[in-house]
Amino acid sequence: SYVLTQPPSVSVAPGQTARITCGGNNIGSKSVHWYQQKPGQAPVLVVYDDSDRPSGIPERFSGSNSGNTATLTISRVEAGDEADYYCQVWDSSSDLGVFGGGTKLTVL
Amino acid sequence: EVQLVQSGAEVKKPGESLKISCKGSGYSFTSYWIGWVRQMPGKGLEWMGIIYPGDSDTRYSPSFQGQVTISADKSISTAYLQWSSLKASDTAMYYCVNTKTTVTPFDYWGQGTLVTVSS
Repeated sequence: SYVLTQPPSVSVAPGQTARITCGGNNIGSKSVHWYQQKPGQAPVLVVYDDSDRPSGIPERFSGSNSGNTATLTISRVEAGDEADYYCQVWDSSSDLGVFGGGTKLTVL
Repeated sequence: EVQLVQSGAEVKKPGESLKISCKGSGYSFTSYWIGWVRQMPGKGLEWMGIIYPGDSDTRYSPSFQGQVTISADKSISTAYLQWSSLKASDTAMYYCVNTKTTVTPFDYWGQGTLVTVSS
């Protein structure tokens, strides 16, 4: 089955840029979606189709996808961005959905 | 407004059966897929399976195939996740989600149903 690999944790100072990666075999050929989950809350979609943002999501959130790595970039990080972030794709070869293991973003 | 409203928290004993629900509103229930996502305590999200209420087409992750049953009653716009014999390892938060197609994102999430299995 298709595997998505994320770093367990990323730390960044306020105002800096956070980059969270999601690795998968030829992931560049798939549409990658990113979700943010804060403690005690349901996840929220922050980026879809590699780089699009749902309405209401700040422009500070952006995404890219190429080759074997997709990346969620959060610019000008704020304390409120501290959360777990998950990437997700649909694997057409198995006809199943997949989540990455999640990355905890810590704002120092 | 699109809403997915899940049934309340459950406390069960090992070996018991359980069926939790997810009622959709504010959109065409039969035209969107409904999926289920598990989150064990302190762990990440796991994609369990998905159903298209329009024709009941259902897909299961290999990890959950045979362990749970996903169904839907389009007459009442409700999807279900059920177990015939719970285990302690089924203790988790379960979220329902909806999506227009299998490749599109999970735009909307239910509030989650906490299932606790303990003797």
